[in-house]
Amino acid sequence: GAGVSQSPSNKVTEKGKDVELRCDPISGHTALYWYRQSLGQGLEFLIYFQGNSAPDKSGLPSDRFSAERTGGSVSTLTIQRTQQEDSAVYLCASSLIASGHYNEQFFGPGTRLTVL
Amino acid sequence: GQQVMQIPQYQHVQEGEDFTTYCNSSTTLSNIQWYKQRPGGHPVFLIQLVKSGEVKKQKRLTFQFGEAKKNSSLHITATQTTDVGTYFCAGPRSDYKLSFGAGTTVTVRA
Repeated sequence: GAGVSQSPSNKVTEKGKDVELRCDPISGHTALYWYRQSLGQGLEFLIYFQGNSAPDKSGLPSDRFSAERTGGSVSTLTIQRTQQEDSAVYLCASSLIASGHYNEQFFGPGTRLTVL
Repeated sequence: GQQVMQIPQYQHVQEGEDFTTYCNSSTTLSNIQWYKQRPGGHPVFLIQLVKSGEVKKQKRLTFQFGEAKKNSSLHITATQTTDVGTYFCAGPRSDYKLSFGAGTTVTVRA
């Protein structure tokens, strides 16, 4: 089956504009994660969705960042009034959650965001 | 919150040599995962270790989970150019989230 897909692969925007990044997880995966990776850095957790539960937004860096997941599948990460420090690769991952087990996360190819 | 620390941050290796990268946590981990990210690519799951003292091998890669379940290591023998990339360890946080280490970036001299 298909893996995690993300769109667009690259996004160049001007400072102050809003952007939407899309993630299509693996079918049947109930858990969906967004991460941010700055150049040469590790993975910064942003937000986590699990089934119909309220999302864990503890990693969002500011109120300019928001995300939603519709119908337990596709997710959209929105960044409002983008700043240059938002430039990074935004990675989405999905996982099949089984009670008591931490299963592997499958990552999408990422969206490279450049804010001019 | 719980964090995992990786050392070294960079590893420059002569082709054919061995090296080890380490992952340490201040708290006991229920499990640890390792991922590899090739240059320009995305992280790909390599392995998960669950048991104290567990050792798993994947060809030239040997993964170990410490007896106290607070540290882990990845040892690569006879390094090849295909081993280039960044290796991340990840420990669990609450509610099925992972805390990723900063990664060890490996370059290989032919």
